[in-house]
Amino acid sequence: SYELTQPPSVSVSPGQTARITCSGDALPKQYAYWYQQKPGQAPVLVIYKDSERPSGIPERFSGSSSGTTVTLTISGVQAEDEADYYCQSADSSGTRVFGGGTKLTVL
Amino acid sequence: QVQLQESGPGLVKPSGTLSLTCAVSGGSISSSNWWSWVRQPPGKGLEWIGEIYHSGSTNYNPSLKSRVTISVDKSKNQFSLKLSSVTAADTAVYYCARVVVATSVYYGMDVWGQGTTVTVSS
Repeated sequence: SYELTQPPSVSVSPGQTARITCSGDALPKQYAYWYQQKPGQAPVLVIYKDSERPSGIPERFSGSSSGTTVTLTISGVQAEDEADYYCQSADSSGTRVFGGGTKLTVL
Repeated sequence: QVQLQESGPGLVKPSGTLSLTCAVSGGSISSSNWWSWVRQPPGKGLEWIGEIYHSGSTNYNPSLKSRVTISVDKSKNQFSLKLSSVTAADTAVYYCARVVVATSVYYGMDVWGQGTTVTVSS
């Protein structure tokens, strides 16, 4: 089955830039989406179609794509950004898939 | 704005059927959106279960397809999940979500329910 690979954890200090990657063979042909999930809460969509930001999501969240890897970038990280982040895409048949998730720690 | 609320038994016996409902408020289930179920086992990541359009068209995760049925009730503005032959591995928080699709382009799951915990145990 198709897999999206994310690093288990990323740590940054406040004010620095956090980059979370997601790799998958179908990513050159399928859009990626990013969700933020804080403990005990439902996920929140923060990036869609690789790099678009939903209304209400801070400008410090951005997304990019290059080949088989997509990247979520959080510029000027704040303490409130500490959360789990999941990428999501689809395989060649359209089956939705989530990455394993990355825990972002703000030091 | 659209809100989603999951409901259903919090405890299901092994080999039984898990049944959940997601009530849609603040909007119509017959809008041009799909409606999805996602689950999260304790301490683990998200798993997509499947999705449905108001016409009844469905897409399922192949790994669960033989046990999953998602249906829609337009009269009650809600959609439902049934998962049969459950085991302890099906213990999870189950979320329903709205899937935005426009001109055949998928825009992601933009509205989520708060989630409901289902435990499979005798």
